[in-house]
Amino acid sequence: AQKVTQAQTEISVVEKEDVTLDCVYETRDTTYYLFWYKQPPSGELVFLIRRNSFDEQNEISGRYSWNFQKSTSSFNFTITASQVVDSAVYFCALSEATGNQFYFGTGTSLTVIP
Amino acid sequence: DTAVSQTPKYLVTQMGNDKSIKCEQNLGHDTMYWYKQDSKKFLKIMFSYNNKELIINETVPNRFSPKSPDKAHLNLHINSLELGDSAVYFCASSQDRLGGVDNEQFFGPGTRLTVL
Repeated sequence: AQKVTQAQTEISVVEKEDVTLDCVYETRDTTYYLFWYKQPPSGELVFLIRRNSFDEQNEISGRYSWNFQKSTSSFNFTITASQVVDSAVYFCALSEATGNQFYFGTGTSLTVIP
Repeated sequence: DTAVSQTPKYLVTQMGNDKSIKCEQNLGHDTMYWYKQDSKKFLKIMFSYNNKELIINETVPNRFSPKSPDKAHLNLHINSLELGDSAVYFCASSQDRLGGVDNEQFFGPGTRLTVL
C-alpha cells in the first residue's frame, strides 16, 4: 500500500489563481514527520517544510500555506496567487520515528500559465 | 557555498561497466542518503548512512554499494551497470537519522546516469 498518496498527477492553473495540492498519508506510528519538497524544471529538490505529528498548527510562509489534519491523515499545500515560478513537481513525504524509510509520494506536477 | 554537491552531473556509460558517483556535504550533518528517481519522477530511498550504520533498502541490488570515507562524504559505486539503472541519482543529508527529529533532508543537484 502506498504510504503517501498524491492523487493529483498534474494541475494547471492560470497565474494569480490559488491552488491546493493534496497529500494523504498512512502510518501506524504516533510519532512521524511530514514534508513537502519542490522540484523545479532545473531538477534540484528543494525542502519547503517539515511538520511533526504533534504539531497540527497550520503554517503560512508568504504565499505558501500548509494544512495538517490528523483526523483525515492529510497534509495539504496551498499556493496563493500562483506565479509562473511556482511551476514544478511537488512531493509530499513521510518519515516514521520507528522506521528506516523515507516515503515520497508520486508527486504533483503544477503548471502555472501566464 | 554549495551545501550538498555531487559529481558528475551527467554520466553516460556502457552496459557492464563499473562507475562511481561522489557526494559531499558541508552542512556538518550526521546522516547521508542516496535516492534513485526514475523516468516517472518516482523517488525511492536506496541507502541511509549514519555514524557508520548503513541502512539498506532491501530492494536495491547488491551491485550498488555506498562508501563513506568520512562523515562529509558518501559515494555510490555501481558494478556491472544495466539498462534499468538509467535514472537520476540524488544524494542528500540531514542532521538527524531517519525517524529523528531534525530529519529534513537537503538534496544535491542530482546525477543523470544513462546506460547504453
